[in-house]
Amino acid sequence: EAQVTQNPRYLITVTGKKLTVTCSQNMNHEYMSWYRQDPGLGLRQIYYSMNVEVTDKGDVPEGYKVSRKEKRNFPLILESPSPNQTSLYFCASSTPGGNEQFFGPGTRLTVL
Amino acid sequence: GQNIDQPTEMTATEGAIVQINCTYQTSGFNGLFWYQQHAGEAPTFLSYNVLDGLEEKGRFSSFLSRSKGYSYLLLKELQMKDSASYLCAVRDHRRGTNAGKSTFGDGTTLTVKP
Repeated sequence: EAQVTQNPRYLITVTGKKLTVTCSQNMNHEYMSWYRQDPGLGLRQIYYSMNVEVTDKGDVPEGYKVSRKEKRNFPLILESPSPNQTSLYFCASSTPGGNEQFFGPGTRLTVL
Repeated sequence: GQNIDQPTEMTATEGAIVQINCTYQTSGFNGLFWYQQHAGEAPTFLSYNVLDGLEEKGRFSSFLSRSKGYSYLLLKELQMKDSASYLCAVRDHRRGTNAGKSTFGDGTTLTVKP
């Protein structure tokens, strides 16, 4: 089944404790992206990647890192999480000229 | 950068037609998308417009006017399951490729009543 998977789905952590949210897709998509979604706000793009070893900042990259060493994986790294990073995070993928982004199920992160 | 505006909430009756508008200002444009998002779930793709005009897909249609920076999503024969948030998104054009930065509106929460 074609899909985007994220892990973990739920995470409660404390300020300053480094964490990684994994994202993997099995559709051989070149393009992958991370978004955060907060109440009353739409999806805001954090980082995106157009291919392996190519990443670029979205609208809200501060406090986040990403890497793209393999086509299928695009982990999101929070080196020192803070409470304002409490949010619902979505990973998505598509072909470079694709008209549709496929979204993962989401990761709900709480930083205390 | 991109700026996208859409109404926060709309209410409609089952069986009716509803139009959700979206206006945008962009520094680059390579397509406008509509996504549907049910509460607690991931967004799912509904439609894509890159040229002016109407794209129809079953009960859903989407319209684009690039000169006006305007799009709408038209939902016909509304069903209760259409109650959801509808997100308008614009894709930027970068580096000669079609994929790039994507900006989403805040979403329109549609409530369908019996």
